[in-house]
Amino acid sequence: KAGVTQTPRYLIKTRGQQVTLSCSPISGHRSVSWYQQTPGQGLQFLFEYFSETQRNKGNFPGRFSGRQFSNSRSEMNVSTLELGDSALYLCASAQDTSEERNIQYFGAGTRLSVL
Amino acid sequence: GNSVTQMEGPVTLSEEAFLTINCTYTATGYPSLFWYVQYPGEGLQLLLKATKADDKGSNKGFEATYRKETTSFHLEKGSVQVSDSAVYFCALTFSGSARQLTFGSGTQLTVLP
Repeated sequence: KAGVTQTPRYLIKTRGQQVTLSCSPISGHRSVSWYQQTPGQGLQFLFEYFSETQRNKGNFPGRFSGRQFSNSRSEMNVSTLELGDSALYLCASAQDTSEERNIQYFGAGTRLSVL
Repeated sequence: GNSVTQMEGPVTLSEEAFLTINCTYTATGYPSLFWYVQYPGEGLQLLLKATKADDKGSNKGFEATYRKETTSFHLEKGSVQVSDSAVYFCALTFSGSARQLTFGSGTQLTVLP
């Protein structure tokens, strides 16, 4: 079974631009979560989507948004990029069964550099 | 709020040495606990998990026991290999519809031949 796929792997943008990152979950997984990883702040939760609805949101400004499609694929968007948005963005998917619901499987991430 | 505290790194060991990475948590209620590993240039891989008190998670020679009384989930391995060099993250989450993982700061492990 294929794992979580994130595209692109690397991105370079300049301040003020916007960016869209994509995540394809493991087949059959309906939950997709996004995390930001930086050396200073570590791993921080951005948001979670399930059945095209945002179910939970972390403490990030409104410039960070996401969506989920009917096939469970998800995108996250960051508008008006700031230098501090440079990070590794990780996507994780999970089943929604009682046995597996607490296990998240991560993709390799998208490395975003803002210049 | 919920939080996870991990042993400060980096940790450098010789091959075949014993490994312990400490992890303690603060949470309201009884979370599920996880150890994830991150190899250079990669995402996170689930190493092991425990969902209730006294559960022992194990995988690839690594073990961790969920200790409710000390709110701890220390990672151990009896004999480390060079290939174990990576960053290790302790994390917690709760059952229910919210699937938010709270992570510790990570511990860099380097194993020398």
